[in-house]
Amino acid sequence: GNSVTQMEGPVTLSEEAFLTINCTYTATGYPSLFWYVQYPGEGLQLLLKATKADDKGSNKGFEATYRKETTSFHLEKGSVQVSDSAVYFCPGRDDKIIFGKGTRLHILP
Amino acid sequence: GAVVSQHPSWVICKSGTSVKIECRSLDFQATTMFWYRQFPKQSLMLMATSNEGSKATYEQGVEKDKFLINHASLTLSTLTVTSAHPEDSSFYICSARDTAGGGAPYEQYFGPGTRLTVT
Repeated sequence: GNSVTQMEGPVTLSEEAFLTINCTYTATGYPSLFWYVQYPGEGLQLLLKATKADDKGSNKGFEATYRKETTSFHLEKGSVQVSDSAVYFCPGRDDKIIFGKGTRLHILP
Repeated sequence: GAVVSQHPSWVICKSGTSVKIECRSLDFQATTMFWYRQFPKQSLMLMATSNEGSKATYEQGVEKDKFLINHASLTLSTLTVTSAHPEDSSFYICSARDTAGGGAPYEQYFGPGTRLTVT
């Protein structure tokens, strides 16, 4: 089956800092990869996705590149804002999405 | 497109009563829906997979008689928490898979969640 390993949090950064949240996967074949975000008190939102190797997903200033050589899908943002404070999930999936603990991100003003 | 709604968004009920949560796919058909629960500051735990017209498949450790799932149509699945107790208080999130070709294969769309508080 497919599984992912996500960087554990919490991660605390100052506003405008560079963000990287690591996510590596093990899989048979090349499954689609996703990043979800959950803002405080809210449900899940799909942040970005990549459906094949070398694809780059991007949204709201966040980017992640599907790298088959390192089996990674790290989430990056060049300059974080306080409003980016949330929990970020890089889920694994087989036939259904399985979530790990996520990475809690705190951005300080 | 690909919107999933949940109703109610929050509910408070007394211990011993039952409460029903609805999950609807608003603009696509979903033969498969998923129910998750989330405790404060913890991950989402998959509870069950709901298949239209058939019985739900429950994950290990989830009581099927406690959490009744019905998926009677291609756009609606319901989760009923029976004889609720305070430990059932949680954030319940549903997800639907677009199986009619309107989205990427096996992409899941998530509802906004329902916060259940049992007093």
